[in-house]
Amino acid sequence: QKEVEQNSGPLSVPEGAIASLNCTYSDRGSQSFFWYRQYSGKSPELIMSIYSNGDKEDGRFTAQLNKASQYVSLLIRDSQPSDSATYLCAVHSGTYKYIFGTGTRLKVLA
Amino acid sequence: KAGVTQTPRYLIKTRGQQVTLSCSPISGHRSVSWYQQTPGQGLQFLFEYFSETQRNKGNFPGRFSGRQFSNSRSEMNVSTLELGDSALYLCASSVDREQETQYFGPGTRLLVL
Repeated sequence: QKEVEQNSGPLSVPEGAIASLNCTYSDRGSQSFFWYRQYSGKSPELIMSIYSNGDKEDGRFTAQLNKASQYVSLLIRDSQPSDSATYLCAVHSGTYKYIFGTGTRLKVLA
Repeated sequence: KAGVTQTPRYLIKTRGQQVTLSCSPISGHRSVSWYQQTPGQGLQFLFEYFSETQRNKGNFPGRFSGRQFSNSRSEMNVSTLELGDSALYLCASSVDREQETQYFGPGTRLLVL
């Protein structure tokens, strides 16, 4: 079992729709969770961090964390073509080590 | 505040050679991590340095090594290059353990021929 799992996609959504990206992790001791966006040929860019159960909103982005289910998600409201990228889920376990998922490729169709 | 910088941005080497990549973290950041990214394997953790000490290491062979200087700048070295080492090498910095949000540099794209 991979430590951090994401559906590789592509996930295709129409412009203006809500895109839902999911991530599961195996280490119950994980404490910090991050979503990064990576455009083709570029480096990952931090979108959101979340540390406690529940929802955290930042503009069009909402991160959701459920530690009991070992599940973290990212919702993108009013999706735009510029949101088309690969979204990486990262988990920090507290042992100075980050584990990344392989990413979900999102396509927003104009 | 300037972001994470990496040099060089692109590199072409041949098998058997060695390479050194450099990373300058965001000012005030003391932790530097290195990652290898390939299309097939995604982002793989190489190692992390904090205050000139390696705190953690990923599952890579000993050909991959690194170090951190007193000004928090870091270098990674790959010896005896193999074709499979062709990848994007990313450096990320964070303040410290408590504020561990990482910020990535632009990466060094290494091609081994």
